[in-house]
Amino acid sequence: EAGVTQSPTHLIKTRGQQATLRCSPISGHTSVYWYQQALGLGLQFLLWYDEGEERNRGNFPPRFSGRQFPNYSSELNVNALELEDSALYLCASTPGSGYTDTQYFGPGTRLTVL
Amino acid sequence: GESVGLHLPTLSVQEGDNSIINCAYSNSASDYFIWYKQESGKGPQFIIDIRSNMDKRQGQRVTVLLNKTVKHLSLQIAATQPGDSAVYFCAEKIGGGSYIPTFGRGTSLIVHP
Repeated sequence: EAGVTQSPTHLIKTRGQQATLRCSPISGHTSVYWYQQALGLGLQFLLWYDEGEERNRGNFPPRFSGRQFPNYSSELNVNALELEDSALYLCASTPGSGYTDTQYFGPGTRLTVL
Repeated sequence: GESVGLHLPTLSVQEGDNSIINCAYSNSASDYFIWYKQESGKGPQFIIDIRSNMDKRQGQRVTVLLNKTVKHLSLQIAATQPGDSAVYFCAEKIGGGSYIPTFGRGTSLIVHP
């Protein structure tokens, strides 16, 4: 069974540009979570999508947005990039929205803002 | 032993030793806890979980202990191997909360052959 996949692996942008990151969940999983992991820090929750709807949002500005497609894949968009947006962006999926559903993580997209 | 560096707390052990990684959580309403392992260049990987109605849970070579009185969680790894070298995160979920786990800062485990 294929795991969670993310693309691209690395992304280099300049300040003010826009970035789009993509995530494909494990087949059959309907929930997708996005996290930001800055160097040396824990995971900071960004967004949660389930069945195509945004279920929850972390404490990030509106220039962080995303969506979930009918096939449950998801994309994260970051507008007006700032230097401090440089981080590893992780996507995770779960089979549903159960409280104890295990999150399965992808390898991440390393975003560098110059 | 365990030390706090400039970035992540680090635990250095010899291969074959038992490792204990500690985590303090903040919310007494947290009722579900998860340990993840993150190897360099990879996403976090689920290790083991425990609900607040339990004090101990065992997996393969790993044991999680929960002390609700002092809001403390620990992960014990038996016979630590070089492949165990990674950053370990604890995460908590708050009962009646948002279903989103709150992750700790992580501990770097270094296993010396």
